[in-house]
Amino acid sequence: QTVMTQEPSLTVSPGGTATLTCASSTGAVTSGYYPNWFQQKPGQAPRALIYITDNKHPWTPARFSGSLLGGKAVLTLSDVQPEDEADYYCLLYSGGAWVFGGGTKLTVL
Amino acid sequence: QVQLVQSGAELRKPGASVKVSCKASGYAFTSYYIHWVRQAPGQGLEWMGIINPASGTTNYAQKFQGRVTMTRDTSTSTFSMELSRLRSEDTAVYYCARGYDTFDIWGQGTMVTVSA
Repeated sequence: QTVMTQEPSLTVSPGGTATLTCASSTGAVTSGYYPNWFQQKPGQAPRALIYITDNKHPWTPARFSGSLLGGKAVLTLSDVQPEDEADYYCLLYSGGAWVFGGGTKLTVL
Repeated sequence: QVQLVQSGAELRKPGASVKVSCKASGYAFTSYYIHWVRQAPGQGLEWMGIINPASGTTNYAQKFQGRVTMTRDTSTSTFSMELSRLRSEDTAVYYCARGYDTFDIWGQGTMVTVSA
């Protein structure tokens, strides 16, 4: 069973930059893993942010971006806003199945 | 507008089955795969499987094989996910989500509680 690992928590100041990563237990993450990123606030369904590594949905704020770096999928939040405080999940495709990371709790303080 | 509307909360006893529905509207029903994802209280997201709306072909996560059945009804634009032999660990919010590799639109979620 493939395991996707994310930072459990991250704290960032308003206006700062947050870098969230997603690593695979099977090796380096590539575009063939179709990396997706989601934001989830308490009591709400997840909201899609990024698909297939770096593609944004129409509703994705410009300050969110996706990439690959150092064998990991990366979600970067620039100019972090208070409303960005949430849980963030990565999702990768591996071995014929989709696997979510454990999630990163982002605190804006 | 494009939306997925799920059925209401369910309470089941251990060993029973539950069927959750997901009605699609605002787009071509057969054009987008549907995934099912669940989230236990206070826990992360877990992928359960996917269905091709055109053919009805499914692919289930290994963990759920033998217990889950995903179907679609093209006449009513509705997807369903049935989970059998329920146990307390199946207590979770169950979501449907659209798109093979985009997961762009999500249902509001259905709370399933398994308790004696």
